[in-house]
Amino acid sequence: GEDVEQSLFLSVREGDSSVINCTYTDSSSTYLYWYKQEPGAGLQLLTYIFSNMDMKQDQRLTVLLNKKDKHLSLRIADTQTGDSAIYFCAESETDKLIFGTGTRLQVFP
Amino acid sequence: ETGVTQSPTHLIKTRGQQVTLRCSSQSGHNTVSWYQQALGQGPQFIFQYYREEENGRGNFPPRFSGLQFPNYSSELNVNALELDDSALYLCASSPGQGIVEQYFGPGTRLTVT
Repeated sequence: GEDVEQSLFLSVREGDSSVINCTYTDSSSTYLYWYKQEPGAGLQLLTYIFSNMDMKQDQRLTVLLNKKDKHLSLRIADTQTGDSAIYFCAESETDKLIFGTGTRLQVFP
Repeated sequence: ETGVTQSPTHLIKTRGQQVTLRCSSQSGHNTVSWYQQALGQGPQFIFQYYREEENGRGNFPPRFSGLQFPNYSSELNVNALELDDSALYLCASSPGQGIVEQYFGPGTRLTVT
């Protein structure tokens, strides 16, 4: 079955880069997504990548996709305290998104 | 442009009761999906509605049901509530069938006691 795995926790210093990793199992996924969730809030769509792309850059965010290894990463440049949140990786399957359990990013001064 | 809205924000119910959660999709979006997010977990897909018809369903029992109205707003109904139904219920809308871009509302926090 489908499964998306992420590490649970990441701690970085303000100004450094953060890299959040994800592995997925469904090789037929057309799109892969990154969502951000702040405490008590819904999910904010950060970015997504089409499965035939290797990289996508959007301002401070860089998404890398290794389709052979089914590995997705999100790099946040110049991480700020406002980036502290839970980040979810998701893969698409027909009519639904399959989410990982989320990576909690903590940014310290 | 108004985003996805959900009501109520919080809800407390007793085991065995029934609950209805509501969602208004983003303007121009005709597809609505519902997800359940248990504490410390990622969201789990419940079902999707496209133009008032159910368009896919996750691994949830029949006591989870839904509706979509002509204005594309939607309801999630849960009968015979169980303690494990306590979760954040998220609604997401997208501009067409399929899910290239899916935008989430703030969620309804349901507590079952």
